[in-house]
Amino acid sequence: DGGITQSPKYLFRKEGQNVTLSCEQNLNHDAMYWYRQDPGQGLRLIYYSQIVNDFQKGDIAEGYSVSREKKESFPLTVTSAQKNPTAFYLCASSIQLAGVYEQYFGPGTRLTVT
Amino acid sequence: EDKVVQSPLSLVVHEGDTVTLNCSYEVTNFRSLLWYKQEKKAPTFLFMLTSSGIEKKSGRLSSILDKKELSSILNITATQTGDSAIYLCASGSSNTGKLIFGQGTTLQVKP
Repeated sequence: DGGITQSPKYLFRKEGQNVTLSCEQNLNHDAMYWYRQDPGQGLRLIYYSQIVNDFQKGDIAEGYSVSREKKESFPLTVTSAQKNPTAFYLCASSIQLAGVYEQYFGPGTRLTVT
Repeated sequence: EDKVVQSPLSLVVHEGDTVTLNCSYEVTNFRSLLWYKQEKKAPTFLFMLTSSGIEKKSGRLSSILDKKELSSILNITATQTGDSAIYLCASGSSNTGKLIFGQGTTLQVKP
């Protein structure tokens, strides 16, 4: 089946720990994105990548890091520098950049940091 | 600064009602406007609009873009409880290739 997978579905961490969220797609899409969703705030872009080994900061990149070593994979690390990491994280992909093409979303990872 | 604003932020209706959700945008080099439906998890794609005045329709849902007014509406007729969700509007720029999302409209349809 073609699609985007994110794991895990729920993640719990202690404050001060880095955590990596997985995102894999088998749609052969070039572009991939990470969003954060908080209640009442819609989706906010963290990082995006147009091609392998290249990525750009979105609107709220501070405290996050990414890598794009393979076309299929775009993992997000939430570092201890992120002040308020508890949120719902969504990964998405599109054929090319999303001004022109629709994005498809993974099922999300709900991260809770205590 | 590019922005997308949706209204209302929340709406409660009864089954069978018709609803209209609004989305306005200010985006440099506007390219497209997209609507998504989000239930518990991942947003699912509904429509992409690029041309003004042309209605897109899927079952009881329809949407239209007005480039003069920099806005779009999403209509849902004969609402059902299964329509309860967050409806997200997003606008794409050919400059950056990013989507800018609105805050979402939370729709609750009561039986």
